[in-house]
Amino acid sequence: GENVEQHPSTLSVQEGDSAVIKCTYSDSASNYFPWYKQELGKGPQLIIDIRSNVGEKKDQRIAVTLNKTAKHFSLHITETQPEDSAVYFCAAAGGYQKVTFGIGTKLQVIP
Amino acid sequence: NAGVTQTPKFQVLKTGQSMTLQCAQDMNHEYMSWYRQDPGMGLRLIHYSVGAGITDQGEVPNGYNVSRSTTEDFPLRLLSAAPSQTSVYFCASSYGGGGDFEQYFGPGTRLTVT
Repeated sequence: GENVEQHPSTLSVQEGDSAVIKCTYSDSASNYFPWYKQELGKGPQLIIDIRSNVGEKKDQRIAVTLNKTAKHFSLHITETQPEDSAVYFCAAAGGYQKVTFGIGTKLQVIP
Repeated sequence: NAGVTQTPKFQVLKTGQSMTLQCAQDMNHEYMSWYRQDPGMGLRLIHYSVGAGITDQGEVPNGYNVSRSTTEDFPLRLLSAAPSQTSVYFCASSYGGGGDFEQYFGPGTRLTVT
């Protein structure tokens, strides 16, 4: 089955700096790569996603890149703000029933 | 729209007891799933459904049953609770059509089995 590795597990950045979270996947059949943000006591919420036919996608301060050859994808958050502090999960999917999540990255933005 | 709702928010069970975690969505989504979240292990798929009357097993199905009699509801049953089932449980739904797999998660149920 699919295996998704995510790192780092924790990340601290100063407010205004950039944060990068990296994930690798093992199944070349995976074609959908979502990123979720989970705030304390809440369920995960989709923040951005990318499909295998696209190399990069941006949404304001958030961007995701995908390298299909190397089987890795990354989340980039620029100009970080305290409200970006949360746990971020990457995932890889080859279909609805095959969504595999990474273990999560706890991001702390220090004011 | 209420989105995805889950009840209860918290539950304590004794080993061997049974219970049902409720999940409902009002978005007319065909796809629904149950995940458990444990420290250091991310979210793991327990069971999922691609429509009313259709369910299948995920990565960690043992000890859990599901049914899907309506589009809106997808309850998760613990038949005989064990301490290893102490976890936070999330229900999620997705439209699924046209490859739209964005999942909407409920607020979770924190279950402790003593």
